[in-house]
Amino acid sequence: DAGVIQSPRHEVTEMGQEVTLRCKPISGHDYLFWYRQTMMRGLELLIYFNNNVPIDDSGMPEDRFSAKMPNASFSTLKIQPSEPRDSAVYFCASSLAGASGANVLTFGAGSRLTVL
Amino acid sequence: AQTVTQSQPEMSVQEAETVTLSCTYDTSESDYYLFWYKQPPSRQMILVIRQEAYKQQNATENRFSVNFQKAAKSFSLKISDSQLGDAAMYFCAYRRGYGNKLVFGAGTILRVKS
Repeated sequence: DAGVIQSPRHEVTEMGQEVTLRCKPISGHDYLFWYRQTMMRGLELLIYFNNNVPIDDSGMPEDRFSAKMPNASFSTLKIQPSEPRDSAVYFCASSLAGASGANVLTFGAGSRLTVL
Repeated sequence: AQTVTQSQPEMSVQEAETVTLSCTYDTSESDYYLFWYKQPPSRQMILVIRQEAYKQQNATENRFSVNFQKAAKSFSLKISDSQLGDAAMYFCAYRRGYGNKLVFGAGTILRVKS
């Protein structure tokens, strides 16, 4: 498997523009997570899905952020309108729920977003 | 809420030497898992080692081992025979037994000197 695939790797946009980040999880994984990494706040969980259904979106900072998972192989994180404080690296991760409970998150390479 | 604390923002080690990175966590759960992830400059998050709380034996993966002190809620990572490729940010992470969310510490930057 190619692992978790994220696009774009880098995005530079201007304040007020819409940004869409994409993620393809590992085939067969039934959990998908979106994390944000900043110097100030470290790694924060934004939202996660189980079998394409959002389970916990309490980490989504505000209504400008939305995430969807229309099918098992694709998810998007959208920011509209974007603001400079949204500049960060956004990670997607997926995992398989196993009987052992020690299911491990596999991360994508991240999308670095810069909002000017 | 569970919290994970890494009190060392930065550490340095000489190549071939041993270094220990500290991590403490706070939880009222008895069933949980602990992880160490490595983030090199490529920013890819890579799992280094994991520990199940119900296991008394400390996990080991080649040059990486942990010192898991459940009563003290401490989970340190020891890297033996440090190599230049070990230079990275290291994150300690916690997950509740029946949960799926990983809670991360702030990270420790490890520098390896040749």
